[in-house]
Amino acid sequence: GENVEQHPSTLSVQEGDSAVIKCTYSDSASNYFPWYKQELGKGPQLIIDIRSNVGEKKDQRIAVTLNKTAKHFSLHITETQPEDSAVYFCAATSNTNAGKSTFGDGTTLTVKP
Amino acid sequence: NAGVTQTPKFQVLKTGQSMTLQCAQDMNHEYMSWYRQDPGMGLRLIHYSVGAGITDQGEVPNGYNVSRSTTEDFPLRLLSAAPSQTSVYFCASSGLAGYNEQFFGPGTRLTVL
Repeated sequence: GENVEQHPSTLSVQEGDSAVIKCTYSDSASNYFPWYKQELGKGPQLIIDIRSNVGEKKDQRIAVTLNKTAKHFSLHITETQPEDSAVYFCAATSNTNAGKSTFGDGTTLTVKP
Repeated sequence: NAGVTQTPKFQVLKTGQSMTLQCAQDMNHEYMSWYRQDPGMGLRLIHYSVGAGITDQGEVPNGYNVSRSTTEDFPLRLLSAAPSQTSVYFCASSGLAGYNEQFFGPGTRLTVL
């Protein structure tokens, strides 16, 4: 089945700096890659997603890039703010896996004011 | 819209007890799923359903049962609770099996003594 690896597990940055979180996946049939943000005590919430027919997608300070050849995708957050502090999860969904999503283990991002 | 609701928010069980975690959504989503979240292990799929009357196993199904009698409800049953089932449980729904945003509930924190 699909295997998703996410790095780093923890990331600490100064307010205003950029943060990058990377994920790799194993199933070349995966075609949908969402990123979720989980604040303390809450359920994960989608912040951005990308499909396999697109290489990059941007939404204000957040961007995601996808390299299908290398089977990796990354989340980029620019001009970080303290409210960006949370746990971020990547996921991959494959046609060969009945549409089920496989999640990475998460990255705890801390933005220091 | 209430989105995805889960009850209870917290629960303490003794080993061997059974209970049902409730999940409901009001978005008319066909796809629903249950995940467990353990520290450092991300979200692992327990069971999922692609529509009323259809359920299937995920990555970690042992010790859990589900049913889907209506589009709205997807309860998760613990048959005989074990300490290894201590976790935070999230229910999620999506308009299309895994290929679109999953909406997560607020979670149920379960402790098995």
